[in-house]
Amino acid sequence: SQQGEEDPQALSIQEGENATMNCSYKTSINNLQWYRQNSGRGLVHLILIRSNEREKHSGRLRVTLDTSKKSSSLLITASRAADTASYFCATTDGFKAAGNKLTFGGGTRVLVKP
Amino acid sequence: DVKVTQSSRYLVKRTGEKVFLECVQDMDHENMFWYRQDPGLGLRLIYFSYDVKMKEKGDIPEGYSVSREKKERFSLILESASTNQTSMYLCASRYRRQGLNYGYTFGSGTRLTVV
Repeated sequence: SQQGEEDPQALSIQEGENATMNCSYKTSINNLQWYRQNSGRGLVHLILIRSNEREKHSGRLRVTLDTSKKSSSLLITASRAADTASYFCATTDGFKAAGNKLTFGGGTRVLVKP
Repeated sequence: DVKVTQSSRYLVKRTGEKVFLECVQDMDHENMFWYRQDPGLGLRLIYFSYDVKMKEKGDIPEGYSVSREKKERFSLILESASTNQTSMYLCASRYRRQGLNYGYTFGSGTRLTVV
């Protein structure tokens, strides 16, 4: 079963606009991560936010986390055509020292039109 | 740069064949993972490994097995390929000793078609 659910499933914007997508999850988490996947390729790690953090920035990316609502958002500012991709949120579902598996949501497909 | 290399980009196999998907990482990562990705179902974890010779079932292990004889290599085995195993397979790895707050590095994926 999927831990995270992204919303919207698809997003189409003009170059230069901001893109916002949301992720909701069900159980307690240690951290939440966002990944990007270009068509037919592997996933690339974008940003990680810990459960005790509320906001994090990385370049044109801004991630927020609201643990009381079990939700996160990813904002891409000043979007470019190269941002066209699918974006996934993922959560770690445990606290084992040996390692933890990531559980992914269904993803948001973003199309940035030039 | 950390590299996770999957041996094949595209693979076509026949029903009933035994299929090996290989994944190699070059950064001494302890943890390695196999996911499959299907339209509408997202990424689902098949198996993962905390360290050499250690493995743990993920959410959908049926019809698959894994092998981790060396730290850098994690193999996914389809014992008897079936058409419902046609999918994109993604391998990933991460450091364990850097703690929980570290992202995964993914390979480019293997698109497997079983005919």
